[in-house]
Amino acid sequence: EMKLVESGGGLVQPGRSLKLSCAASGFSFNDYWMGWVRQAPGKGLEWIGEINQDSSTIKFSPPLKDKFTISRDNAQKTLYLQMNKLRSEDTAIYYCVREDAGVDFWGQGVMVTVSS
Amino acid sequence: DNVLPQSPTTVAASPGEKVTITCHASSSGIYMNWHQQKSGTSPKLWIFDTSKLASGVPDRFSGSGSGTSYSLTINTMETEDAATYYCQQCCTNPPITFGAGTKLELK
Repeated sequence: EMKLVESGGGLVQPGRSLKLSCAASGFSFNDYWMGWVRQAPGKGLEWIGEINQDSSTIKFSPPLKDKFTISRDNAQKTLYLQMNKLRSEDTAIYYCVREDAGVDFWGQGVMVTVSS
Repeated sequence: DNVLPQSPTTVAASPGEKVTITCHASSSGIYMNWHQQKSGTSPKLWIFDTSKLASGVPDRFSGSGSGTSYSLTINTMETEDAATYYCQQCCTNPPITFGAGTKLELK
């Protein structure tokens, strides 16, 4: 069974950093682009960025490129999202996604709340 | 804002009714996918490459479109179809963009 399990979320103060992890199983992690999508409370889906199979290409949504870093560890089948200088508007559920001509599989999501 | 227009924003349908949701892509030559999200759960891929149904999706659903205009149609609405549907284009710049979402309610 294919799974993407995010972790590392929680309550964080404004201005701080946070790193999310996503553990993949049930498919050949090395063969896929992977990405992150977020959803603010009551709002729609916002694509954050993606990373290719060997980490040689990383792309971001233009408004978000200075806030996030994406990396992966193929040996550990794990995807990461480093978030910096967090603000209240970064409060959202963060989803790890597998990509194949778009998003084709979603994790269950992890909540990040930015508040003092 | 990098959000594709979808219409309608909200629609209510009775069981047995036909429902059509449309999405306007930002350019042509893209892949168009659709995702279904029910309240409190993560989205699921529902239709990919414009018209192909994801595994387990009932055949009352269909997708169509070309150029910059795409649609998702439910031939006969069922209770379980109440959800929010998002279109999602791929493979242009930026690589992935989502639609604003259409909330489908049961009348």
